[in-house]
Amino acid sequence: DAGITQSPRHKVTETGTPVTLRCHQTENHRYMYWYRQDPGHGLRLIHYSYGVKDTDKGEVSDGYSVSRSKTEDFLLTLESATSSQTSVYFCAISLHNLGGTVSGANVLTFGAGSRLTVL
Amino acid sequence: DAKTTQPTSMDCAEGRAANLPCNHSTISGNEYVYWYRQIHSQGPQYIIHGLKNNETNEMASLIITEDRKSSTLILPHATLRDTAVYYCIVALSGNNRLAFGKGNQVVVIP
Repeated sequence: DAGITQSPRHKVTETGTPVTLRCHQTENHRYMYWYRQDPGHGLRLIHYSYGVKDTDKGEVSDGYSVSRSKTEDFLLTLESATSSQTSVYFCAISLHNLGGTVSGANVLTFGAGSRLTVL
Repeated sequence: DAKTTQPTSMDCAEGRAANLPCNHSTISGNEYVYWYRQIHSQGPQYIIHGLKNNETNEMASLIITEDRKSSTLILPHATLRDTAVYYCIVALSGNNRLAFGKGNQVVVIP
């Protein structure tokens, strides 16, 4: 998707190993998000960021940490991957205001996804 | 607790208008209605949002009932490329914690 890149797009790893997923944006958007998507659960928010070094937890944050040292990059880290973290991970970005309305903060642009398999 | 209720799935005829319903009977006065869709294997895509007035853009129209307890997303001329899971979401502006739910699997049939 234009302006937002996720890497890697596919990764297979073993239980107990650390994994970092990167989300890079060129849109200078304030907000960045990490979601995971699993069959039967839909999209669930892991963490989000509302500025450099400003992050907050979502509904499924256990086992994940994030960092945002620059506006353009939002990293998702699995310190010790488990099989339950096998999933498709989506990054998203949004403006605080869109068209002058704060409702635009919920207008998200998503990346193409990163498929992670933990064996 | 789900804030919106959508059909699990529905079929639509290619070339015809597709009307996708959503119930949000517990919506509060300052919550918006957002619609997204997700085509298979892709990230979700924003479609449209509204507060109480009907809205239209190049993708779709959003009709919100006067009591705001339900809404309908209208795809004016459905194409095969509109086959996707459609999510209806209710959230406060600036909420930043959109809950996507399981959505409505819409299949456009030739």
